[in-house]
Amino acid sequence: DGGITQSPKYLFRKEGQNVTLSCEQNLNHDAMYWYRQDPGQGLRLIYYSQIVNDFQKGDIAEGYSVSREKKESFPLTVTSAQKNPTAFYLCASSPLIGPYGYTFGSGTRLTVV
Amino acid sequence: DAKTTQPPSMDCAEGRAANLPCNHSTISGNEYVYWYRQIHSQGPQYIIHGLKNNETNEMASLIITEDRKSSTLILPHATLRDTAVYYCIVHISSGSARQLTFGSGTQLTVLP
Repeated sequence: DGGITQSPKYLFRKEGQNVTLSCEQNLNHDAMYWYRQDPGQGLRLIYYSQIVNDFQKGDIAEGYSVSREKKESFPLTVTSAQKNPTAFYLCASSPLIGPYGYTFGSGTRLTVV
Repeated sequence: DAKTTQPPSMDCAEGRAANLPCNHSTISGNEYVYWYRQIHSQGPQYIIHGLKNNETNEMASLIITEDRKSSTLILPHATLRDTAVYYCIVHISSGSARQLTFGSGTQLTVLP
């Protein structure tokens, strides 16, 4: 079945370390997105990409970096510059053409220890 | 993209219809209304979308007012598994990536 796979499901990071969250999709979607969700809050856009080797900052890009070397993959790196990285991270994808909704992954819960 | 307003929480008895409202008074003519839901600690799930006409699928019905300034998501026979946060989003369908922000949504609690 087609879908989005995020890994790992849980991730623990020591302060000062960079960590990379994986997001892979087999839906042949052109656009991919990363969101951050804090407890009891909505989703905030970190980065998005609509084509390989191109990506744009969202509302809260500081302290994060991404790459899009393949259409299927859009990894997110949480750098040491992100001062409050503990959160639930969600990856999504969508076609560019047509009124189709987003497909989301199951998320990665990152905790700084 | 147009801004939406939803009540923060609602309760519904199991087996009854759940009617979730959404106001989008600044919606433009080419913007669609989308509904998603998020069960605790999971990724959001797409439910349904519509432009002008009412829509129905296996999960829910979407009723859009004639002036398109508000809509209602209807879960016809709510079950305990429908307890979730429901998000109403409005945006155009275009050839570029959409920079959507999901607000706090409506926390629907289905009561036994």
